[in-house]
Amino acid sequence: AQSVTQPDIHITVSEGASLELRCNYSYGATPYLFWYVQSPGQGLQLLLKYFSGDTLVQGIKGFEAEFKRSQSSFNLRKPSVHWSDAAEYFCAVGVKNFNKFYFGSGTKLNVKP
Amino acid sequence: EAQVTQNPRYLITVTGKKLTVTCSQNMNHEYMSWYRQDPGLGLRQIYYSMNVEVTDKGDVPEGYKVSRKEKRNFPLILESPSPNQTSLYFCASSFQLAGATQYFGPGTRLTVL
Repeated sequence: AQSVTQPDIHITVSEGASLELRCNYSYGATPYLFWYVQSPGQGLQLLLKYFSGDTLVQGIKGFEAEFKRSQSSFNLRKPSVHWSDAAEYFCAVGVKNFNKFYFGSGTKLNVKP
Repeated sequence: EAQVTQNPRYLITVTGKKLTVTCSQNMNHEYMSWYRQDPGLGLRQIYYSMNVEVTDKGDVPEGYKVSRKEKRNFPLILESPSPNQTSLYFCASSFQLAGATQYFGPGTRLTVL
């Protein structure tokens, strides 16, 4: 069965520090991979996605993610975190011709001043 | 403005009383989907629709029904709600799935007593 694992439930970083959020997936083939962000009380917004090609993808708000097939991972990174990045982040995979989606359980990011 | 709207935003009901949560999008998207979000579980897909009159089960369809009679609308129906359906519900839509970005509605918080 397909699954998406985000091992870190909560992460706290200082403003200006670098950030890496982990995501591992379980699927027989290479799925389509996504990172979404959810601000408090809001819906989800797409940060970036990977389908094929260059394994390092750039997204909005200065985020990037790297697909590593050998590790079945798609980790999200940002070199310098801003206070406005405090939110919950979800990794997701699209399978079955991308009609079915599986989300991880989310990582809540706190940013210290 | 391109958007996905959901109504109601908040609903408190009692066990067994049929309810419908509406979802509408103004972007002429073919694909629409419903998710529920529960703490520690992330988002789980309930049903999705690839176009008018074409729907299929997601990961957690039990206790829910959907219909897609018009392209813009995708209502979620709970014929006999139970307390374990208390959750935050999101509707999403996108163009054809290959390379598509899902746009999420603002969410509906449902409490079943």
